[in-house]
Amino acid sequence: GAVVSQHPSWVICKSGTSVKIECRSLDFQATTMFWYRQFPKQSLMLMATSNEGSKATYEQGVEKDKFLINHASLTLSTLTVTSAHPEDSSFYICSARAVYEQFFGPGTRLTVL
Amino acid sequence: AQTVTQSQPEMSVQEAETVTLSCTYDTSESDYYLFWYKQPPSRQMILVIRQEAYKQQNATENRFSVNFQKAAKSFSLKISDSQLGDAAMYFCAYRSDRDDKIIFGKGTRLHILP
Repeated sequence: GAVVSQHPSWVICKSGTSVKIECRSLDFQATTMFWYRQFPKQSLMLMATSNEGSKATYEQGVEKDKFLINHASLTLSTLTVTSAHPEDSSFYICSARAVYEQFFGPGTRLTVL
Repeated sequence: AQTVTQSQPEMSVQEAETVTLSCTYDTSESDYYLFWYKQPPSRQMILVIRQEAYKQQNATENRFSVNFQKAAKSFSLKISDSQLGDAAMYFCAYRSDRDDKIIFGKGTRLHILP
């Protein structure tokens, strides 16, 4: 199947700093990508839908000013967690829409100290 | 709004035996897709099986099969000849034909007993 990568796979940062997570579709173009958040032992919660060339659509309750999403090309979407705090620590997963299904990245573990 | 419910937080099965994971969903739409995803300790989401709502025939992928009951809004996963590598978190998921958003259930952690 198609491959989606995420970088970095894990990151530790200090409270108040910003962190950028990249999501790339390696062998296909994705006009739409999705960002999920997964707390320990919990399910995936959709945060936002990222569309190439347009603004992201955020789910209810997700702070768009805190979680900045940029889908600059057909193979790259980025999630920037601004002014991160310990409660933002989580596992962030992206997925990219191919023709008939979505493919998931391996995830990024964010720890905010 | 659509919801997906998995009522079994954890299950255990003896190696080589058969296990069934339950899932129910709620939707007012007629066209949609249902999925079972596996999340092993690596946390990489792996698609196990997919079912289109318009298809009456239950999907099958090797040892994995589903029992899709559209009227009852039920979508269970049967794993036959369970193997140690099947141990993982299993998520039932729903996607509308109207948009691409996937809604996940809370998951069932499956343990395989040697």
